[in-house]
Amino acid sequence: QQKVQQSPESLTVSEGAMASLNCTFSDGTSDNFRWYRQHSGKGLEVLVSIFSDGEKEEGRFTAHLNRASLHVSLHIREPQPSDSAVYLCAMGSGSWQLIFGSGTQLTVMP
Amino acid sequence: GPKVLQIPSHQIIDMGQMVTLNCDPVSNHLYFYWYKQILGQQMEFLVNFYNGKVMEKSKLFKDQFSVERPDGSYFTLKIQPTALEDSAVYFCASSLRQGQAPLFGEGTRLSVL
Repeated sequence: QQKVQQSPESLTVSEGAMASLNCTFSDGTSDNFRWYRQHSGKGLEVLVSIFSDGEKEEGRFTAHLNRASLHVSLHIREPQPSDSAVYLCAMGSGSWQLIFGSGTQLTVMP
Repeated sequence: GPKVLQIPSHQIIDMGQMVTLNCDPVSNHLYFYWYKQILGQQMEFLVNFYNGKVMEKSKLFKDQFSVERPDGSYFTLKIQPTALEDSAVYFCASSLRQGQAPLFGEGTRLSVL
């Protein structure tokens, strides 16, 4: 069964300092990876989608994918307190579904 | 921007009753999804729906579950009868194309007593 593991479980950074989140997946068969975030009580907001090894930037959010090492990361440049949320990594599986990690709770201190 | 709306935000029902969760997807989207998240656990895929048909479902999509989108109206998830383990937040999502990142609603919290 395909799995997605996220680390760390929680992360606290100061406003303006780079935040880095990690995700490892169980096999390299997927060709699409997404980062979402979820503010408390809200729905999921898609941040970055990445489909090939390397880097993909969307504003202050940059994803790095390395399928050989089964790893995708998210780096948040100049995080603000409003970026405090749960960040979810998701891997496409088959044609239709996403497999989600358990999330990283990010807190950005002013 | 476009949004997926879920109604109601919270529903409380007694075990054994029927419940219908409603989702108003983005108007021009063609692919519809339901995900389930039990408190403190990972979000898990339930079902995908396209062109009036279930395309894929997970083992969590029990026989008591059904989905439909009659005449392009709400995309619904019906559970009949409900069980205690159905208590969770149910997220609806939609996308325009296959493989596109789905847009998610804010979820409906279902409490089965």
